[in-house]
Amino acid sequence: EDKVVQSPLSLVVHEGDTVTLNCSYEVTNFRSLLWYKQEKKAPTFLFMLTSSGIEKKSGRLSSILDKKELFSILNITATQTGDSAVYLCAVHAGGTSYGKLTFGQGTILTVHP
Amino acid sequence: NAGVTQTPKFQVLKTGQSMTLQCAQDMNHEYMSWYRQDPGMGLRLIHYSVGAGITDQGEVPNGYNVSRSTTEDFPLRLLSAAPSQTSVYFCASSYSSGTYQETQYFGPGTRLLVL
Repeated sequence: EDKVVQSPLSLVVHEGDTVTLNCSYEVTNFRSLLWYKQEKKAPTFLFMLTSSGIEKKSGRLSSILDKKELFSILNITATQTGDSAVYLCAVHAGGTSYGKLTFGQGTILTVHP
Repeated sequence: NAGVTQTPKFQVLKTGQSMTLQCAQDMNHEYMSWYRQDPGMGLRLIHYSVGAGITDQGEVPNGYNVSRSTTEDFPLRLLSAAPSQTSVYFCASSYSSGTYQETQYFGPGTRLLVL
């Protein structure tokens, strides 16, 4: 059974702090790992990672994948109150089941002014 | 493009009632999925489809049925609602670029309360 575990489950920081969110996985036939941000509505896409060691960046957010150790991290620098959200990690795995993602539990990030 | 649309936005059911959650996408995506989201549990896959006429079970399929008669529509049917099905339901669609499944686009969600 495919498994995705995120840590920490919740995190409270102050504006300007840097945070690191973790995602580890155990899946069969890994294809890609995705990060989503969810703010009281539907998840919105952040990154898709397919290769080890290649950092993806978007503004203050960055992410990297380690396929040997089976984990990914999402970094947010200089956090803002607008970064408060649930961050979801999902892994796409399997043979022909392209529509199938396994999600982690999510990390609830709260950024105080 | 409207993207992925879901109806209704909110529904209250009594135990034992049946209903259908509607999902439609206008992006000609081949893959569609239904998830439920419960506190502290992320999103769990209920059913998914890799094309019209093809569906398969996900992680938590019991109590739900799906069909995919067209590329655009992927309704989720609750056969006999139970309080354990109180949740937020998300429909998503995506396509494959060959090697990788491209990112899933999520609908706005349906909040279901079963009394």
